[in-house]
Amino acid sequence: NAGVTQTPKFRILKIGQSMTLQCTQDMNHNYMYWYRQDPGMGLKLIYYSVGAGITDKGEVPNGYNVSRSTTEDFPLRLELAAPSQTSVYFCASSYRGDRGFFGPGTRLTVL
Amino acid sequence: RKEVEQDPGPFNVPEGATVAFNCTYSNSASQSFFWYRQDCRKEPKLLMSVYSSGNEDGRFTAQLNRASQYISLLIRDSKLSDSATYLCVVRDNNNDMRFGAGTRLTVKP
Repeated sequence: NAGVTQTPKFRILKIGQSMTLQCTQDMNHNYMYWYRQDPGMGLKLIYYSVGAGITDKGEVPNGYNVSRSTTEDFPLRLELAAPSQTSVYFCASSYRGDRGFFGPGTRLTVL
Repeated sequence: RKEVEQDPGPFNVPEGATVAFNCTYSNSASQSFFWYRQDCRKEPKLLMSVYSSGNEDGRFTAQLNRASQYISLLIRDSKLSDSATYLCVVRDNNNDMRFGAGTRLTVKP
């Protein structure tokens, strides 16, 4: 099993650009999560999903969108990127909300 | 009040020391509790789950006090390799996982 994979690993965006962060898991987990981690800070929940077709907002959803059309994929969309979205983005998955497995992260810089 | 609060540290301890981290959570309906470890510039990884009766895994002991909404992690005989940030994680009744800001530990020779 590859576990949780994220692409890209690094990205630099200009203000106002859009992009999609990809997240895929091959463990057949029904729960998936997106977090952001600012330098020296903890993880903040952006969005989560308890199954295909179901998504819910977390603590900091503004400026982001998600979709969950399959069990495996949970892409995060940034529209109109802003410098405040410079962060490391982690995707995670779990089975029924139990222990979470994390991807390696995407480091995003918005200039 | 933050949903999950931790002492940010940093904790600087010598090898062989015993160190304890504390965490409090605000949602009394929280279901599950975990300690994660995060190395610099890496993703968090599960260290251990925390059970109501308390549990131990080698040098690590986790305890939960539901009445006080308090979780602890004790590390005995600290090793250099224990240096990391320790994250307290709480899963609430909405099934999302909330993280504390983390406690940074540095173990020195």
